[in-house]
Amino acid sequence: GENVEQHPSTLSVQEGDSAVIKCTYSDSASNYFPWYKQELGKRPQLIIDIRSNVGEKKDQRIAVTLNKTAKHFSLHITETQPEDSAVYFCAALSDGGYNKLIFGAGTRLAVHP
Amino acid sequence: DAMVIQNPRYQVTQFGKPVTLSCSQTLNHNVMYWYQQKSSQAPKLLFHYYDKDFNNEADTPDNFQSRRPNTSFCFLDIRSPGLGDAAMYLCATSRDQGQDEQYFGPGTRLTVT
Repeated sequence: GENVEQHPSTLSVQEGDSAVIKCTYSDSASNYFPWYKQELGKRPQLIIDIRSNVGEKKDQRIAVTLNKTAKHFSLHITETQPEDSAVYFCAALSDGGYNKLIFGAGTRLAVHP
Repeated sequence: DAMVIQNPRYQVTQFGKPVTLSCSQTLNHNVMYWYQQKSSQAPKLLFHYYDKDFNNEADTPDNFQSRRPNTSFCFLDIRSPGLGDAAMYLCATSRDQGQDEQYFGPGTRLTVT
């Protein structure tokens, strides 16, 4: 089955710096890769996603890149702000008969003013 | 304008005492999911319904059951909660299976005493 690895587990940056979180997946048939942001005590919320027919997608300060050959995808946050502090989860859609999301272990991002 | 509603937000139950968590949605989505999330970990899928079709994850304990009486509501029943079942329980919905965004509810934090 699908396995998703996420690095780093914690990331600390200064306000205004960029942050990069990387994930690798094992199932070459996976075709959908969402990123969720979860603030403390709150629900996970989708911030950006990418499908396998696209190599890069950008939404304001957030971008995601996908390398299908290497089976990895990354989240890039530019000009980080304190409100970006949260846990970020990557996920891959596994074609396990009913399309199941497999989550990475999460990255705790701290943005210091 | 809440789209996925979970009640209660906090639930305390005694060891071995059955408990039911509820989820409702106003999105008219076909798919409803139940996830268990323990502190600092990724959400773990317990089961999901595609319309009335129930799909149980292989490693979901028999202690966990679910009901979906209609499109809008889904329940999680824990027959005999153990201390290890203390967690945040997240309900999510998606319009369809596959590459559709999953919308998460706010979660129910379960404490077992």
